[in-house]
Amino acid sequence: KQEVTQIPAALSVPEGENLVLNCSFTDSAIYNLQWFRQDPGKGLTSLLLIQSSQREQTSGRLNASLDKSSGRSTLYIAASQPGDSATYLCAVPYGQNFVFGPGTRLSVLP
Amino acid sequence: KAGVTQTPRYLIKTRGQQVTLSCSPISGHRSVSWYQQTPGQGLQFLFEYFSETQRNKGNFPGRFSGRQFSNSRSEMNVSTLELGDSALYLCASHERGGSYNEQFFGPGTRLTVL
Repeated sequence: KQEVTQIPAALSVPEGENLVLNCSFTDSAIYNLQWFRQDPGKGLTSLLLIQSSQREQTSGRLNASLDKSSGRSTLYIAASQPGDSATYLCAVPYGQNFVFGPGTRLSVLP
Repeated sequence: KAGVTQTPRYLIKTRGQQVTLSCSPISGHRSVSWYQQTPGQGLQFLFEYFSETQRNKGNFPGRFSGRQFSNSRSEMNVSTLELGDSALYLCASHERGGSYNEQFFGPGTRLTVL
């Protein structure tokens, strides 16, 4: 059974800081890993999708890495802004569907 | 391309009633997955439809059902509503289904059961 955990559960940082969010999964035989952002009461916005053959993906100030052998992915956010405040979730495939982590709730203070 | 749309956005029902939620995927996407999100359980997979067939089902009671139409639009139905069914219901659109493809989510339907 695939289990996904995320550390930390919550994070509060001042604007401008670089930060790292962590995602761990128990079954390393995955095809890809996807990072999402969710604003309160809203749907999920896809941020990055890393295929198993890739080690990292970048989009603007976001960089995600994937280490299948250790069952870990990290999401790096550079120069954080108050608009980055949201919950960040990672998801990995399991069978024909996806398993989500519980999320990291990020607050960036102005 | 237009994104994933879900209707209605908000719904209030009473225990024992039934409800139908709708999801229209991104044009060209043939697979739709449904998830329930609650503060206590997080995001839990309900079921996935591909080309009008249910391909996979999560661990939910039979009160939760769904279907997909030939235009890929999907509906989910919850009968005999319980208080614990209050949640944000999200649907995700995939190009070909399965776990290979990137998922794109709709805004969700907030269901409140009184």
